Amino acid sequence: NAGVMQNPRHLVRRRGQEARLRCSPMKGHSHVYWYRQLPEEGLKFMVYLQKENIIDESGMPKERFSAEFPKEGPSILRIQQVVRGDSAAYFCASSQKAGGLYETQYFGPGTRLLVL
Amino acid sequence: SQQGEEDPQALSIQEGENATMNCSYKTSINNLQWYRQNSGRGLVHLILIRSNEREKHSGRLRVTLDTSKKSSSLLITASRAADTASYFCATGNNDMRFGAGTRLTVKP
Repeated sequence: NAGVMQNPRHLVRRRGQEARLRCSPMKGHSHVYWYRQLPEEGLKFMVYLQKENIIDESGMPKERFSAEFPKEGPSILRIQQVVRGDSAAYFCASSQKAGGLYETQYFGPGTRLLVL
Repeated sequence: SQQGEEDPQALSIQEGENATMNCSYKTSINNLQWYRQNSGRGLVHLILIRSNEREKHSGRLRVTLDTSKKSSSLLITASRAADTASYFCATGNNDMRFGAGTRLTVKP
């Protein structure tokens, strides 16, 4: 049973370009979460999605960032017009049910974005 | 949801010794989870402890939870070099909040 898959593992972009990060949840999981980890810092929640719905985007920057989880295919985190401050590791996690009392989130290996 | 905060920030021990890391949080929780992250890798779930539990074991790991003090501890017994990693506690539900982690180094 494959775990959470993320690709690409490493992504280099120049300032002003777009970055697309993909996340395929574990089989049977319909809940996806995105986190960002800046160097030497802990993970920060960005957005929580179910299939075709954004449930909680309270951690998403107001501009340039968007996320989707279509009916078919992986979840996508999209960053438009990247800036150097977007350089970070972006982790995706998935769970079988909505995060709750006993639900565990399983993490992917992360995508390391470097903005030049 | 609110963030867990780990201490110490960094811990260096010899192989075979025990390592204890602490986590504090500020408001009531339903559960608290510990994760490990090896350098440059994703997070690995270690253990979940519910708010009505006081202690939980998994292999060489022992987690305690004191809801009156809003704190948790992770004990790794008989540490190995392979335990070298960052350890995070996380609280919350859909939007888990993580602290900055404890960086554990186990010297062979």
